[in-house]
Amino acid sequence: DGGITQSPKYLFRKEGQNVTLSCEQNLNHDAMYWYRQDPGQGLRLIYYSQIVNDFQKGDIAEGYSVSREKKESFPLTVTSAQKNPTAFYLCASIPPGKGTGELFFGEGSRLTVL
Amino acid sequence: AQSVAQPEDQVNVAEGNPLTVKCTYSVSGNPYLFWYVQYPNRGLQFLLKYITGDNLVKGSYGFEAEFNKSQTSFHLKKPSALVSDSALYFCAVREGTGANNLFFGTGTRLTVIP
Repeated sequence: DGGITQSPKYLFRKEGQNVTLSCEQNLNHDAMYWYRQDPGQGLRLIYYSQIVNDFQKGDIAEGYSVSREKKESFPLTVTSAQKNPTAFYLCASIPPGKGTGELFFGEGSRLTVL
Repeated sequence: AQSVAQPEDQVNVAEGNPLTVKCTYSVSGNPYLFWYVQYPNRGLQFLLKYITGDNLVKGSYGFEAEFNKSQTSFHLKKPSALVSDSALYFCAVREGTGANNLFFGTGTRLTVIP
């Protein structure tokens, strides 16, 4: 079955450590996204990529980094510069077209900083 | 600037009764409107979308939404609520075809009481 796989589902980190969240899709979608979800705040866009080897900052990119070396993969690194990294992180992709398609989401990764 | 508002953080409804989850939006052009549902510790699942055409849109699991241009609303409805409908619901709006121009509301928690 096609879909988006995020790993790990739960992750604990000590302050000052970088962590990388994996996102893999086999939907053959070009565009991929990373969102952060906090209670009562909805989803906020961290980074997005519309094509391999290209990505753009979203609304809250500070303290995060991404890469897009393959169409299927869009990993997110939460760096030590992110002051409040505890959150639920969602990866998504969108089928090619005119921008009217809906997002497909992974199951999310919950990061807790100890 | 585009925005979307979900005025109710929490909606409670008795099983078997009709339910409505409210959403209003603000865009300068034609809106593309979406509803998603999220179960605990899961990713978002697409329910339905309005792009153009009929104002009443039917989606998954018996949900429907009515686009009202004059009131700039896109309320989610279901004629008869099920306990399994209890979840967090997000409205989202995109203006134009920009893949990054998707804004989410803060979510409404629906609880269906047996």
